[in-house]
Amino acid sequence: LAKTTQPISMDSYEGQEVNITCSHNNIATNDYITWYQQFPSQGPRFIIQGYKTKVTNEVASLFIPADRKSSTLSLPRVSLSDTAVYYCLVGDSGGGADGLTFGKGTHLIIQP
Amino acid sequence: ETGVTQTPRHLVMGMTNKKSLKCEQHLGHNAMYWYKQSAKKPLELMFVYSLEERVENNSVPSRFSPECPNSSHLFLHLHTLQPEDSALYLCASSQDGLAGEGNEQFFGPGTRLTVL
Repeated sequence: LAKTTQPISMDSYEGQEVNITCSHNNIATNDYITWYQQFPSQGPRFIIQGYKTKVTNEVASLFIPADRKSSTLSLPRVSLSDTAVYYCLVGDSGGGADGLTFGKGTHLIIQP
Repeated sequence: ETGVTQTPRHLVMGMTNKKSLKCEQHLGHNAMYWYKQSAKKPLELMFVYSLEERVENNSVPSRFSPECPNSSHLFLHLHTLQPEDSALYLCASSQDGLAGEGNEQFFGPGTRLTVL
């Protein structure tokens, strides 16, 4: 049973805000939600992590509703260089390799 | 630069060759990982080492043999590989060996392996 579900692909335009939602219906009490970005032929890069409510850093925001069964990565004013695959992972320190499992991710394509 | 380096960046080998991939992290982390990423497939976790002990092995064929001599270095020894083993092999490190608060992974640039 997949632990997270994301859209396979999304399209947007430069300057727009992009929201990518991840479903994790079976999230456990101790699980954290982590998002990574990957460009072709490169390793993934950490974007943001959260447990509940809202987290913001210099590149993105992460919105987590009260039931924590989903989360939304928000990228403000995207540019062409934001074209990449975005992965949502869920796991905790006692959960074994679950939190290290990358799914298919969401392929975000930004157009001019 | 992520603080994780991998060598070589590209490797072409025959099925009868023996080669090794090297990973080094300069972040003072306690855990290191090997992932495999085949074309158009998700990353597959291969091995996890925490404090130089293997804590996870996702049913990887024995032709892949990891070695972690210390917390800063990780090797993947390769022998009698198959063409389907051609992929991008990624090394990562994190503060501790499992997912959780603040335990994000830092990835190296990868080794592009081609098996002829």
